[in-house]
Amino acid sequence: LAKTTQPISMDSYEGQEVNITCSHNNIATNDYITWYQQFPSQGPRFIIQGYKTKVTNEVASLFIPADRKSSTLSLPRVSLSDTAVYYCLVGDLVGSGTYKYIFGTGTRLKVLA
Amino acid sequence: EAQVTQNPRYLITVTGKKLTVTCSQNMNHEYMSWYRQDPGLGLRQIYYSMNVEVTDKGDVPEGYKVSRKEKRNFPLILESPSPNQTSLYFCASSFQAGTGSEAFFGQGTRLTVV
Repeated sequence: LAKTTQPISMDSYEGQEVNITCSHNNIATNDYITWYQQFPSQGPRFIIQGYKTKVTNEVASLFIPADRKSSTLSLPRVSLSDTAVYYCLVGDLVGSGTYKYIFGTGTRLKVLA
Repeated sequence: EAQVTQNPRYLITVTGKKLTVTCSQNMNHEYMSWYRQDPGLGLRQIYYSMNVEVTDKGDVPEGYKVSRKEKRNFPLILESPSPNQTSLYFCASSFQAGTGSEAFFGQGTRLTVV
């Protein structure tokens, strides 16, 4: 069963780069790695997704090593509004072609002024 | 606007009184799922549906039921709610199963069972 492990919490200061690493040792061959952001009492929101190497969009970068057993979300120059919980998500293909999503417990990022 | 809509947003009920939380998406997505979120436990999947009339248990299905009679709707049913089902619930949908497809989440339903 695929499972993710992330640090429980991180603190950073405004303007710094933040890197959050997720471990997913049993990731399936065809599975993508997706990161979500969640503010209090709101549903998670998609940030970035990748399969291997590096992916970059307007808000973040995602680094995935060749063995794909981990991934690192990089947030450049964070601001106070980036204070949130960040989830790494992989899936698990269970029998009969059905598919379950596996969220970890998330990393609570606190950005300080 | 593409969205996932849950109702109600807040609900207080008594033990044993059947309730339904509705979830509707307007994106023609095949995959829908329900999660509960509790402090320190993150998001745990309750049930999911790969398509109409196809549902399966997630990690914490006990005490819950779902149905998928139409593609857009995926209601969560608590036949006999208990206090340990007090939680924040999220419905989500995506174009297809597999994490290559972005998931869209509803606004959440905060349920309190007394």
